[in-house]
Amino acid sequence: DAGVIQSPRHEVTEMGQEVTLRCKPISGHDYLFWYRQTMMRGLELLIYFNNNVPIDDSGMPEDRFSAKMPNASFSTLKIQPSEPRDSAVYFCASTSIDTYNEQFFGPGTRLTVL
Amino acid sequence: GQSLEQPSEVTAVEGAIVQINCTYQTSGFYGLSWYQQHDGGAPTFLSYNALDGLEETGRFSSFLSRSDSYGYLLLQELQMKDSASYFCAVREDTNAGKSTFGDGTTLTVKP
Repeated sequence: DAGVIQSPRHEVTEMGQEVTLRCKPISGHDYLFWYRQTMMRGLELLIYFNNNVPIDDSGMPEDRFSAKMPNASFSTLKIQPSEPRDSAVYFCASTSIDTYNEQFFGPGTRLTVL
Repeated sequence: GQSLEQPSEVTAVEGAIVQINCTYQTSGFYGLSWYQQHDGGAPTFLSYNALDGLEETGRFSSFLSRSDSYGYLLLQELQMKDSASYFCAVREDTNAGKSTFGDGTTLTVKP
């Protein structure tokens, strides 16, 4: 399996622009997680889905952030409008009931908002 | 609230043994995981404990005491490639859901 795939790997944008991050989970995994990692706040869970349904979005910082999972093989995290404080590495991870002890992380998207 | 505490930094020499501790206070507890993250990379799973006791996987072992809300990761025969950040994470759901991660411990292995 190719593992969790994220795109883009790097994104540089200007404040106020819309940013869309993409994730393809491992085939057969029915849980998908979006994390944000910064030096100041560590690894924070933003939202997670089960069977394409958002289960817990309490970590989403504010209304500028939204996430969707239209099908089992694709999810997006959108920031609109972006701000410099959104600069971070965003990770997507997936797992299943069969591998529930372990989350499989993608390579991450390094976002820089100027 | 929910909190996990682990040391921010640990330094050890090649060939030595190092223990990274993790104490937690969370609303739910179903297991403690450990992840390794090299600079610029993604977290990768190392081990998981749901019950009290020691789990061994090669050079790495993980221990859990639920009554003490405490666990540790033990790394033996340290190698330079073990230099990385190590995160403990508490699984808070009965299924494969939410986990809360600690802030991580940066391990530096010196020759």
